[in-house]
Amino acid sequence: RKEVEQDPGPFNVPEGATVAFNCTYSNSASQSFFWYRQDCRKEPKLLMSVYSSGNEDGRFTAQLNRASQYISLLIRDSKLSDSATYLCVVSGGGADGLTFGKGTHLIIQP
Amino acid sequence: EAGVAQSPRYKIIEKRQSVAFWCNPISGHATLYWYQQILGQGPKLLIQFQNNGVVDDSQLPKDRFSAERLKGVDSTLKIQPAKLEDSAVYLCASSLVSRNTEAFFGQGTRLTVV
Repeated sequence: RKEVEQDPGPFNVPEGATVAFNCTYSNSASQSFFWYRQDCRKEPKLLMSVYSSGNEDGRFTAQLNRASQYISLLIRDSKLSDSATYLCVVSGGGADGLTFGKGTHLIIQP
Repeated sequence: EAGVAQSPRYKIIEKRQSVAFWCNPISGHATLYWYQQILGQGPKLLIQFQNNGVVDDSQLPKDRFSAERLKGVDSTLKIQPAKLEDSAVYLCASSLVSRNTEAFFGQGTRLTVV
């Protein structure tokens, strides 16, 4: 079975700091990559897609390294509201759906 | 735009009982997923439908779990008989197509088996 691996944390980070997560995936045929955010007792929601060229959305930057099969997420100037679980998600070729990692728990401390 | 609707939100049953969950995806979404999320873990795919056909049910415990998608729209997931380890949140998600596209999740059904 295709796997997506993440460090579960928790990452305890002071407000205003920069934090980075990595995720590795085992299926080299994977075609699509995403970061989802999940708040406590809520459903996952898309944070951003991850493109081969990398992409940035405000304080969030995602990078993809296909050769090493890992994906990263960088959060700059972290806010208290960034506290959540960040799920790395990979979609394979064909009709494959979304495979989720176990998530990385982030706690931003005042 | 209405999101993915799921019911019930919460369910408590005794082991060996049966239970059913319902999902109504976003209108026009061809792909529907059922995920199981155990506390502290990421969502695990149980079954994926494309319209009313099953695309992937390799991780569905078929001896006790079943799912169907009526007319390619609504879907039900059933567990019979339930075990203690089935306690989890059952998430339904839908997307326009299966690959390379965002999946939208419902709020989930929190199942407790006692």
